[in-house]
Amino acid sequence: NAGVTQTPKFQVLKTGQSMTLQCAQDMNHNSMYWYRQDPGMGLRLIYYSASEGTTDKGEVPNGYNVSRLNKREFSLRLESAAPSQTSVYFCASSAKGGPMNTEAFFGQGTRLTVV
Amino acid sequence: AQSVTQPDIHITVSEGASLELRCNYSYGATPYLFWYVQSPGQGLQLLLKYFSGDTLVQGIKGFEAEFKRSQSSFNLRKPSVHWSDAAEYFCAVVTRSNDYKLSFGAGTTVTVRA
Repeated sequence: NAGVTQTPKFQVLKTGQSMTLQCAQDMNHNSMYWYRQDPGMGLRLIYYSASEGTTDKGEVPNGYNVSRLNKREFSLRLESAAPSQTSVYFCASSAKGGPMNTEAFFGQGTRLTVV
Repeated sequence: AQSVTQPDIHITVSEGASLELRCNYSYGATPYLFWYVQSPGQGLQLLLKYFSGDTLVQGIKGFEAEFKRSQSSFNLRKPSVHWSDAAEYFCAVVTRSNDYKLSFGAGTTVTVRA
């Protein structure tokens, strides 16, 4: 059981380049999330998808777009990368459906550097 | 504003000593509370969670946490720390008012000295 899988694990981009971070989960979860982690700031929610076909902005959505391709996959796109987007990105999923299902499972992270 | 606060950015503890990490939240609705641990270069792993019932919850790796509604706190404890407990610890909150999205504190880094 792979859980939550993110690709790539590492990426270096030049300012202005675009890229897509991929995330897939095999736990049949309804909800998926993208977070970024920066020193001293914890994890901040970029976008989330409560269910297939829906997406909503989190705390820090500017400069990002997302696609919930199907129930398994939730991708994060940087259209024009900026140095401020240098961060570690985590994808997570949860079953939703009530308080007993709000535990989130995390991928291993993508370390992105924008130069 | 709704928030999760971890007052201690960094804690250093001797191996074998006890550890307590603080977490306070400010949400109007009944919260669901979590502690996650992140080892260097790794993703987040759930240590324990509180939804309802007994306010003292046991987790993995010998950790426990106590929910105190009157203090809006959910502090994490371990009686005797091992070198492998060196990591970053995150408190997180979910509430109905936040559409069940996880909101994290800034994290506490724990260093264990021999």
